[in-house]
Amino acid sequence: GNSVTQMEGPVTLSEEAFLTINCTYTATGYPSLFWYVQYPGEGLQLLLKATKADDKGSNKGFEATYRKETTSFHLEKGSVQVSDSAVYFCALTYSSASKIIFGSGTRLSIRP
Amino acid sequence: IAGITQAPTSQILAAGRRMTLRCTQDMRHNAMYWYRQDLGLGLRLIHYSNTAGTTGKGEVPDGYSVSRANTDDFPLTLASAVPSQTSVYFCASRTGTNTGELFFGEGSRLTVL
Repeated sequence: GNSVTQMEGPVTLSEEAFLTINCTYTATGYPSLFWYVQYPGEGLQLLLKATKADDKGSNKGFEATYRKETTSFHLEKGSVQVSDSAVYFCALTYSSASKIIFGSGTRLSIRP
Repeated sequence: IAGITQAPTSQILAAGRRMTLRCTQDMRHNAMYWYRQDLGLGLRLIHYSNTAGTTGKGEVPDGYSVSRANTDDFPLTLASAVPSQTSVYFCASRTGTNTGELFFGEGSRLTVL
């Protein structure tokens, strides 16, 4: 079946460190891929997305590239800030509107 | 722009009581969803609606019901609450296309004693 697997947290980094959060997926067809972020006490919000192979989504210094050959959509940021502390969710959607699959989430904490 | 409004924000409920969580969106999105979020378990889909007048079951529908009488509203009802339904509930919507993003409400924290 279709699924999303992301690296388990928590991940703790120092400010200005390089961040990678791994996400791999299993899906039939050609899904769209998303990263959502959840700040403390809030709902999820879209961080970035990619809708076809080799697309790169980017926002707020975060990037992720849709890699069909490795079925991956890893999230990266070159220099993290304390304000990036949050839970990050990888997700995929495909043809049926009801089919939105989330990974289990990765909690990121950034030390000053 | 309000987006998605959920109510109540927080509620403590005795087991066996009936409870309705309200969700309203002002974006005219076709598709709406209810998720629950439990520590360490991420998001799990309870029920969804692809368009007004239709609903479907997600991965954890037991003990919950929904209705979609119009485009804007998508209430979630717990007919007889149990402690295992203690969770944070999120309502979300999107246009219904494959590439459309989900918009989430701020969540409703429910504690069943």
